[in-house]
Amino acid sequence: DVKVTQSSRYLVKRTGEKVFLECVQDMDHENMFWYRQDPGLGLRLIYFSYDVKMKEKGDIPEGYSVSREKKERFSLILESASTNQTSMYLCASSLSGRAGDEQFFGPGTRLTVL
Amino acid sequence: TQLLEQSPQFLSIQEGENLTVYCNSSSVFSSLQWYRQEPGEGPVLLVTVVTGGEVKKLKRLTFQFGDARKDSSLHITAAQPGDTGLYLCAGVPRGSGGGADGLTFGKGTHLIIQP
Repeated sequence: DVKVTQSSRYLVKRTGEKVFLECVQDMDHENMFWYRQDPGLGLRLIYFSYDVKMKEKGDIPEGYSVSREKKERFSLILESASTNQTSMYLCASSLSGRAGDEQFFGPGTRLTVL
Repeated sequence: TQLLEQSPQFLSIQEGENLTVYCNSSSVFSSLQWYRQEPGEGPVLLVTVVTGGEVKKLKRLTFQFGDARKDSSLHITAAQPGDTGLYLCAGVPRGSGGGADGLTFGKGTHLIIQP
């Protein structure tokens, strides 16, 4: 069974803390993505990666960075968490970059920044 | 400006009724996908439509891609409580970098089927 796993389902952090969200996929997929999902705003792409050590900015990269040292792992980093980064964070992967490729999502991490 | 507009935003109906939700855009898409997301989980792909005018059926769910590849609809026949969830349409605009750039998502339709 294919799987995308995220390190935490729920996380509570304080303003100014550095936060790491980890995502691992076991499908040998080339592409990995980080989205955030907010009520009324839908899913918005933060960063994506199409290869190891490669990263590209999505629609809302400000305040975030990413790391992809291994093909199966894609990390999202909040260098200094702020309250407006309270959100549901979803990681996804896809086999290739072809339009129409299915994206497989993890269960999400609900992050609260106090 | 939202590239993919979904309507209605919320829909609550009784078990056994039929319903249609819509996904519209002014842009042409190479393909459109429909995902369903249940509470506490990530979205799961239901279908991908690629050809203008294409119709795909998945049991009681019928998906249609507009002739001009700018819109799509999802019709559910005899809705069941198990159909409850957030329905998201997503796609890759034609002329963009392809699926490697990530999908553009609509805001979704929250569907509740009451027993």
